[in-house]
Amino acid sequence: QSVLTQPPSVSAAPGQKVTISCSGGRSNIGNNYVCWYQQLPGTTPKLLIYDNNKRPSGIPDRFSGSKSGTSATLGISGLQTGDEADYYCGTWDSSLSAVLFGGGTKLTVL
Amino acid sequence: QVQLQLWGAGLLKPSETLSLTCGVYGGSFGDYYWAWIRQPPGKGLEWIGEVNRRGVTNYSPSLKSRVSISVDTSKNQFSLIMRSLTAADAAVYYCARGKLGITPWGQGMLVTVSS
Repeated sequence: QSVLTQPPSVSAAPGQKVTISCSGGRSNIGNNYVCWYQQLPGTTPKLLIYDNNKRPSGIPDRFSGSKSGTSATLGISGLQTGDEADYYCGTWDSSLSAVLFGGGTKLTVL
Repeated sequence: QVQLQLWGAGLLKPSETLSLTCGVYGGSFGDYYWAWIRQPPGKGLEWIGEVNRRGVTNYSPSLKSRVSISVDTSKNQFSLIMRSLTAADAAVYYCARGKLGITPWGQGMLVTVSS
């Protein structure tokens, strides 16, 4: 069981917007940056969001991140079938001195 | 552009020791942390630990007793040793760069633990 809690699955129709939550605690999300990763089926994870809300070069602005207190949210707008993937949140835990990943959320674009 | 490539034995028996090495190409170690991450089949990501160019390490509390991560800056490589393997250690193992915002990732290597 992950310290960071994500919903196991979310779904939405093409063109719609979906949000994925990541809930943690004061020692992790509450005091550290959050990042998000996308893992398309059969591929290596890819960094989508870092420092809570920044996008690496090449990541479209349909992907957005936010953080409030001990929770973070990934938003994906203008959903495409190619967005179907597993999404993971990640952060540092200052008490454990360890990187944490959420359990992952499977996105289905109906 | 930095690329990572890992190698090592992919088929091991229970109680044996896993040894993986990751080569860093197209860039130097810099001030980054270099990480090992694994993913059991059909499951989520699990961070194993990290090392920087000075050899400073951090480990997952749940794996700390069985894991060692080291760095060889002269060869642009870092390595993972995991002892006393069980079936639960079977996973795709990744090497990667970074701590908050891990990128890039190596290609991943399937490690099977079976008698």
